[in-house]
Amino acid sequence: DTGVSQDPRHKITKRGQNVTFRCDPISEHNRLYWYRQTLGQGPEFLTYFQNEAQLEKSRLLSDRFSAERPKGSFSTLEIQRTEQGDSAMYLCASSTRGGGSPLHFGNGTRLTVT
Amino acid sequence: GEDVEQSLFLSVREGDSSVINCTYTDSSSTYLYWYKQEPGAGLQLLTYIFSNMDMKQDQRLTVLLNKKDKHLSLRIADTQTGDSAIYFCAEIRDSGYALNFGKGTSLLVTP
Repeated sequence: DTGVSQDPRHKITKRGQNVTFRCDPISEHNRLYWYRQTLGQGPEFLTYFQNEAQLEKSRLLSDRFSAERPKGSFSTLEIQRTEQGDSAMYLCASSTRGGGSPLHFGNGTRLTVT
Repeated sequence: GEDVEQSLFLSVREGDSSVINCTYTDSSSTYLYWYKQEPGAGLQLLTYIFSNMDMKQDQRLTVLLNKKDKHLSLRIADTQTGDSAIYFCAEIRDSGYALNFGKGTSLLVTP
């Protein structure tokens, strides 16, 4: 068990470009979450998967954002036509099934849109 | 984050105890969590408590829950400089999947 892994750690992109981030959860965890964190704020929920099914999406997740979890293993988060307001830390977390199972977070991908 | 509130900053001397406080608004919160975040890193789970418990102790950490007042605290005994970080309180509701986080308390431990 190597924990939740995210790639890349840092991404700098120009406004208007598309970016894709990857998350590999802890292997036996069937729940996967994406959060966004801006400076001085706590993490904000974006979306949640149980196995391959995307069960919940926050209203923060605009049409430019899409997340997938094919085969219920790793997940990708894509942002199309990036804007400067998308600059943030994108955190992935996973957990096992069951009430109250704590979320285990990766180290995040820091996105800077110039 | 608006349903979970924390004070933004706390400074303590090395060796003293630290107490970080959190209040939440939703009485249906079932589990409450404390996470630690160091600069440039993700969130590390410290401890969590089920809402039918009053207290949980884990080595230097003590969590106290006052469900009536919707108040949660994290006490760190014998605080060390390595404890300097941002501490987040989070709650999950009976009907939800996602954790709701506070804005975090920045703990500074001075020698």
